[in-house]
Amino acid sequence: AQKVTQAQTEISVVEKEDVTLDCVYETRDTTYYLFWYKQPPSGELVFLIRRNSFDEQNEISGRYSWNFQKSTSSFNFTITASQVVDSAVYFCALSDIRDDKIIFGKGTRLHILP
Amino acid sequence: GAVVSQHPSWVICKSGTSVKIECRSLDFQATTMFWYRQFPKQSLMLMATSNEGSKATYEQGVEKDKFLINHASLTLSTLTVTSAHPEDSSFYICSARRVLNNRVTPETQYFGPGTRLLVL
Repeated sequence: AQKVTQAQTEISVVEKEDVTLDCVYETRDTTYYLFWYKQPPSGELVFLIRRNSFDEQNEISGRYSWNFQKSTSSFNFTITASQVVDSAVYFCALSDIRDDKIIFGKGTRLHILP
Repeated sequence: GAVVSQHPSWVICKSGTSVKIECRSLDFQATTMFWYRQFPKQSLMLMATSNEGSKATYEQGVEKDKFLINHASLTLSTLTVTSAHPEDSSFYICSARRVLNNRVTPETQYFGPGTRLLVL
């Protein structure tokens, strides 16, 4: 069975601090996809990144970076120099290639305090 | 970019009535659409997979007679909440799977903006 665990329910940091959101996944598949989505108060899901299981390269996009460690089944997300606009719920998600169903973690609610 | 719309964005209805939510892929064809439900401060839970021209596949625990799904065209799927009750109040989100170069992968799923349903 597939499972995504986001142990951090809620995090609060002061603006400009760095923050890392943890994600641990479980799957029996050798080929799978990992995602991060942002959900601001409006509710609309914002796609941030997709990573396939064969690509363990870390990725950086502006203030965002992702660390994929297959050995520990983790796909952590770091925001550098956080801003108030980063306040949102962040979901880590997993999908296999068989049926494209995306399984979401429970989300981490991030508060960036001014 | 691929755009998915949902209509309505907000709906308030009385208990016992039926509510229809539309999910449209505006600039691409989607043979498959997915319906998710999200209760306040909870995660998105997949309800069903909607395939164009065939019956939807429901996840375990989701009542197919209560949540009717119709995927009549390559750009439209509808979710009808029949005889809605207050416990059906939730945020309903659809996603549409885009076919690119005859390939379909999870990366080509696009989410709609969601529909908030409040049943009084």
